[in-house]
Amino acid sequence: EVQLVESGGGLVKPGGSLRLSCAASGFMFSGYSMNWVRQTPGKGLEWVASISSRSSYIYYADSVKGRFTISRDNAKNSLYLQMNSLRVEDTAVYFCAKDWDSSVWFFDYWGQGTLVTVSS
Amino acid sequence: DIQMTQSPSTLSASVGDRVTITCRASQSISSWLAWYQQKPGKAPKLLIYKASSLERGVPSRFSGSESGTEFTLTISSLQPDDFAIYYCQQYHSYSLTFGGGTKVEIK
Repeated sequence: EVQLVESGGGLVKPGGSLRLSCAASGFMFSGYSMNWVRQTPGKGLEWVASISSRSSYIYYADSVKGRFTISRDNAKNSLYLQMNSLRVEDTAVYFCAKDWDSSVWFFDYWGQGTLVTVSS
Repeated sequence: DIQMTQSPSTLSASVGDRVTITCRASQSISSWLAWYQQKPGKAPKLLIYKASSLERGVPSRFSGSESGTEFTLTISSLQPDDFAIYYCQQYHSYSLTFGGGTKVEIK
């Protein structure tokens, strides 16, 4: 059974940093691109970042480019999102999501999400 | 970036109704469109990909179609489990973008 479990969310002040993790199991992690998608409370979905299976291709939303870094460790079946210079508008539930196939960029499995709150 | 415009934003319907949700892309995305269903407090669930391909395990009452840059999700006979928010997503090019969502509520 595919499982994606996010962790690392919490309350942080504007300008602060946070590192999210996503532990994957139940599939060959190293064979799939992975993604972060966020959802502002009560609002819609926003794609944040994507990384290909061997980290050859990395993409970011303009809203986080230069502040967030996506990475993965295939040996640990883990996906990460390093978030720096956090802003109030980064407050959201952050989901990690698995690509349906290698580098197709739509998502068949999602984690339960981890809440990031940026507030002074 | 490609903009995805969903309509309506809210839809009131009864069990058994045929429901149609539309998503319009700001430019051509070929058939690179997915549909998701999200229930409160849960992660989105993939329903449809490549505009009209049904994800395995998804009931056949869900279907997708396309006409140019306009895409449609149809629920042929609405069931109690279908009351949720539905999102489209284009994966033609980066940045990946989602529609604003359509809430299907009980009439």
